[in-house]
Amino acid sequence: QQQVKQSPQSLIVQKGGISIINCAYENTAFDYFPWYQQFPGKGPALLIAIRPDVSEKKEGRFTISFNKSAKQFSLHIMDSQPGDSATYFCAASPVDNQGGKLIFGQGTELSVKP
Amino acid sequence: ETGVTQSPTHLIKTRGQQVTLRCSSQSGHNTVSWYQQALGQGPQFIFQYYREEENGRGNFPPRFSGLQFPNYSSELNVNALELDDSALYLCASSLGRGSETQYFGPGTRLLVL
Repeated sequence: QQQVKQSPQSLIVQKGGISIINCAYENTAFDYFPWYQQFPGKGPALLIAIRPDVSEKKEGRFTISFNKSAKQFSLHIMDSQPGDSATYFCAASPVDNQGGKLIFGQGTELSVKP
Repeated sequence: ETGVTQSPTHLIKTRGQQVTLRCSSQSGHNTVSWYQQALGQGPQFIFQYYREEENGRGNFPPRFSGLQFPNYSSELNVNALELDDSALYLCASSLGRGSETQYFGPGTRLLVL
């Protein structure tokens, strides 16, 4: 119940294309869903986050789509660029997360070809 | 504004030894969380410190321990190192123990031989 399942494990997209990464969860107590971007040798950097009271959030080329009934959420990267090549992690944290825990998916390695 | 910093960047230890990793939180942040990231995996929550006290803990044995200092910097200590402890150890800082928005440092790469 504490897991967040992420797919695909790896993704190759042509420059200018749309990258889509999906995550699913089971614990209905989760109420905060961030996406992190990690480059080799670096720590994860917060990209965008959403709460279940909205179905979509857009920031620049990055959009989160959220389906509360299906307990799924996804990251869309529009007009993908070679500089977007990185590993992406979805995560979730429970309501009133006084314990500070973020639960991460397994990661998706994105490669954007020029 | 200073981001999260960690030291050392890399470390090699042998099985059975002890290690101490250090983290300085982002300016103004009073909460530090530690994560272990094995190769090819997502980060796994170890514990969080808020105002010098352990605030939450993940599924890690007691040989993983920590400290937070009055300036909110933090240490992660691992005793009796095992080969499986080889990983990237990440520190994340946030403002307040209930804040989900966590900012990560670059990590310390630990190799246990």
